[in-house]
Amino acid sequence: NAGVTQTPKFQVLKTGQSMTLQCAQDMNHEYMSWYRQDPGMGLRLIHYSVGAGITDQGEVPNGYNVSRSTTEDFPLRLLSAAPSQTSVYFCASSYGAGTEAFFGQGTRLTVV
Amino acid sequence: GENVEQHPSTLSVQEGDSAVIKCTYSDSASNYFPWYKQELGKRPQLIIDIRSNVGEKKDQRIAVTLNKTAKHFSLHITETQPEDSAVYFCAASIDRGSTLGRLYFGRGTQLTVWP
Repeated sequence: NAGVTQTPKFQVLKTGQSMTLQCAQDMNHEYMSWYRQDPGMGLRLIHYSVGAGITDQGEVPNGYNVSRSTTEDFPLRLLSAAPSQTSVYFCASSYGAGTEAFFGQGTRLTVV
Repeated sequence: GENVEQHPSTLSVQEGDSAVIKCTYSDSASNYFPWYKQELGKRPQLIIDIRSNVGEKKDQRIAVTLNKTAKHFSLHITETQPEDSAVYFCAASIDRGSTLGRLYFGRGTQLTVWP
């Protein structure tokens, strides 16, 4: 049982490049979310999904896209990377509302 | 939407002392309040949670209290140990409407326990 798996763990991008952060869970969880963590700002929600085919914006969605074609996978796409997107990104999943969220190991992204 | 505020942002205690972290929330419809611990370089992990129909919950040295009237909840750690040093996040979740299941996090408290 791997839990929530994020790849890559580290990434350096040049301004304007695009990339996809991968997130997969094997717990058959319906809820999946992407957060970014910046010093002093806590965990800010980028996008989330309550099931396959359903996504919604969170607190800081600009510059990011998501899709949820399967229950297991929830990739996060950076369309045109900017230095302001330098951050640590966490994917999380949970069984449903009011249940424990399990986090991936995080992706440290640097945009130069 | 929901707004969660967390205080203090940093907290230093001597080993063996107690530590208290407080959070307030704005939406009275919030009904689930988890606490996460994040060690340096690691992922956040749930340490305790409480639902709105319960006023207090304990798990060994950790306890959480909830005051629905005042819309605040607190984490209490007794007999602190150096391994309790970490960032602690509170969160609130609303169980209705378009925000069903969303977690709203506080900004975190850096707890340092000195030996």
